[in-house]
Amino acid sequence: ETGVTQTPRHLVMGMTNKKSLKCEQHLGHNAMYWYKQSAKKPLELMFVYSLEERVENNSVPSRFSPECPNSSHLFLHLHTLQPEDSALYLCASSQDKGGGYTFGSGTRLTVV
Amino acid sequence: GNSVTQMEGPVTLSEEAFLTINCTYTATGYPSLFWYVQYPGEGLQLLLKATKADDKGSNKGFEATYRKETTSFHLEKGSVQVSDSAVYFCAINSGGSNYKLTFGKGTLLTVNP
Repeated sequence: ETGVTQTPRHLVMGMTNKKSLKCEQHLGHNAMYWYKQSAKKPLELMFVYSLEERVENNSVPSRFSPECPNSSHLFLHLHTLQPEDSALYLCASSQDKGGGYTFGSGTRLTVV
Repeated sequence: GNSVTQMEGPVTLSEEAFLTINCTYTATGYPSLFWYVQYPGEGLQLLLKATKADDKGSNKGFEATYRKETTSFHLEKGSVQVSDSAVYFCAINSGGSNYKLTFGKGTLLTVNP
C-alpha cells in the first residue's frame, strides 16, 4: 500500500456532470493538500487542510468543493466544470511544518 | 513571501553526461529545501532534501548542497541515465505556521542513449 492513494487515476466527465476525486493517506500525517497541474503551467495550490480544518483556499472557483472528513481522507467534489479545468489533480500530505510532502499519483481529469 | 527560481529547460543530455539544474530561492527565516522528481504520468516524488545550511542531500546519485550565502540548492548528478528523464522541481518550506511548499516551475530533463 503506497503512502498516498488517489482514485480514480483517470476521469472523463461532461460539463454538467458531478464527480468526486478521492485521496487517502496511510502515513499518519496531519495536513493534506490539493494541487492542480496543467500543461505548461506551474503547480497551483488549491486547498490546504490542517487537522481536518481548511486553512487555505487559493481563490479556487466554487465548482471545486473540498471535503476532509478525517485526517486520512480528502475529497474534491466537482460540478459544472469547464474544459479549461482539464488537468492532473494531485493530492499530497505532510506531517510537520518544516517537512516535505508525500504525493499521490494524481487523477488525470478531462472535461468534455 | 517565499519564491523559487529554477532553470526552465528543457535540458537534453546524452547518457553519462554531467547534470546541473540550478535553483535559487528567497525566503524568510531558515527554510528546508527539497528536490522533487516527476516521471511521465506520475505524481511528484521526493528526491532529496536538506534542512540546514551546508547540509548535502543525496539520493540515487543525485546531490544538492544547501548554500545559505548564495541562497541556492543546485541539483547535480555525475552521470545521468535514460531512466533519469523526468521533470525536476525545486521547493522550499519555511515551516512555522506555514505548511506550504513553494515550488519552482520545474525543469524537463531528457536523457538520450
